[in-house]
Amino acid sequence: EPEVTQTPSHQVTQMGQEVILRCVPISNHLYFYWYRQILGQKVEFLVSFYNNEISEKSEIFDDQFSVERPDGSNFTLKIRSTKLEDSAMYFCASSDGGAWETQYFGPGTRLLVL
Amino acid sequence: SQQGEEDPQALSIQEGENATMNCSYKTSINNLQWYRQNSGRGLVHLILIRSNEREKHSGRLRVTLDTSKKSSSLLITASRAADTASYFCATDSSYYGGYQKVTFGIGTKLQVIP
Repeated sequence: EPEVTQTPSHQVTQMGQEVILRCVPISNHLYFYWYRQILGQKVEFLVSFYNNEISEKSEIFDDQFSVERPDGSNFTLKIRSTKLEDSAMYFCASSDGGAWETQYFGPGTRLLVL
Repeated sequence: SQQGEEDPQALSIQEGENATMNCSYKTSINNLQWYRQNSGRGLVHLILIRSNEREKHSGRLRVTLDTSKKSSSLLITASRAADTASYFCATDSSYYGGYQKVTFGIGTKLQVIP
């Protein structure tokens, strides 16, 4: 069964450093998402992406964050200058429809900012 | 107010018993999805129920939706130790034809004791 994959599974970085989290969505999906989950808290929506542009973003997704689909298969989340509070599990998701359809999640990247 | 609040927040049962988890939400929705998360791992999609559906089954899972009460329940029958996980409901309240924005609840931690 097709699945969303994410790399790396774990990343440790120093505060102020840039990180890029990578995702390979399910191949025929057109809608892509990033979520994060701070330890012990709920999963929070960050951004949705369709047709090579951001379709919606939350208040968490400030100027330090950016997303890109650099080629036909990858979908990346970049954090320009990491803060301690960016430490979280980051999940990528994809769906083959927009509203109304199931989102399939990747296994997540655990980011630790020191 | 928070969309998608599950109760109970924690549930402990014996293997073989049924587990029922509830989710309440505040705004009208297009669909509601249930996900499972094993400790520190990714989100596994279990079932999606649309706003015009009242009940859905998938294996040992039964989901109901009552839009008049803005609530949903997830029933796991004949539970197994492997069902031990956190269970989240996620609501999609985006406008029709728009881009999906899924809001997660804080989850129910289910422990199934062998």
